[in-house]
Amino acid sequence: AQRVTQPEKLLSVFKGAPVELKCNYSYSGSPELFWYVQYSRQRLQLLLRHISRESIKGFTADLNKGETSFHLKKPFAQEEDSAMYYCALLYSGAGSYQLTFGKGTKLSVIP
Amino acid sequence: DTGVSQNPRHKITKRGQNVTFRCDPISEHNRLYWYRQTLGQGPEFLTYFQNEAQLEKSRLLSDRFSAERPKGSFSTLEIQRTEQGDSAMYLCASSLRGGTGGANVLTFGAGSRLTVL
Repeated sequence: AQRVTQPEKLLSVFKGAPVELKCNYSYSGSPELFWYVQYSRQRLQLLLRHISRESIKGFTADLNKGETSFHLKKPFAQEEDSAMYYCALLYSGAGSYQLTFGKGTKLSVIP
Repeated sequence: DTGVSQNPRHKITKRGQNVTFRCDPISEHNRLYWYRQTLGQGPEFLTYFQNEAQLEKSRLLSDRFSAERPKGSFSTLEIQRTEQGDSAMYLCASSLRGGTGGANVLTFGAGSRLTVL
């Protein structure tokens, strides 16, 4: 079965410091991975997806199939980055279509 | 279109009562999903529809849970004989159908929070 692991429940960094939110997955097929973000009092929204290979709000994430990881990175954290971040893996096939989420990491950027 | 809309936003009920949540997806999206989220957990998949057809149900969806999407537009999630363990945030999401560029991108609603006393 597919699984997504986010080892850190809480990550605190100072403003301007680099950020790395870890995500590891287990999946026997070809993975499609996403990062979703939830800001305070807002709904869950897509931050980025690996197939787009784009940078959103300064964040990037590279899929490493060898290490089965999809870590989210930003070189300089901003206060407005404080939020809950969820890594998610899409499983599709054999009639199934599920987005499996990790438990999330709360990022707190200290001014 | 203001995105995915869910009602009610918060429901408090007594154990044993039935509750129903409604989700109105983005109009051009033909896929609709229900997820459940409890404290400290990520969203957990419950079920999804393509148009009016319910194509997949999670093992989390016990017999007390039923979801419908009768006309392929809005959907309802009903929980019968609620239990305290049903207390959670119920999230609805929608997406475009498979084969399109945005098919795998889910747009979430704000959720319906259920509290079972």
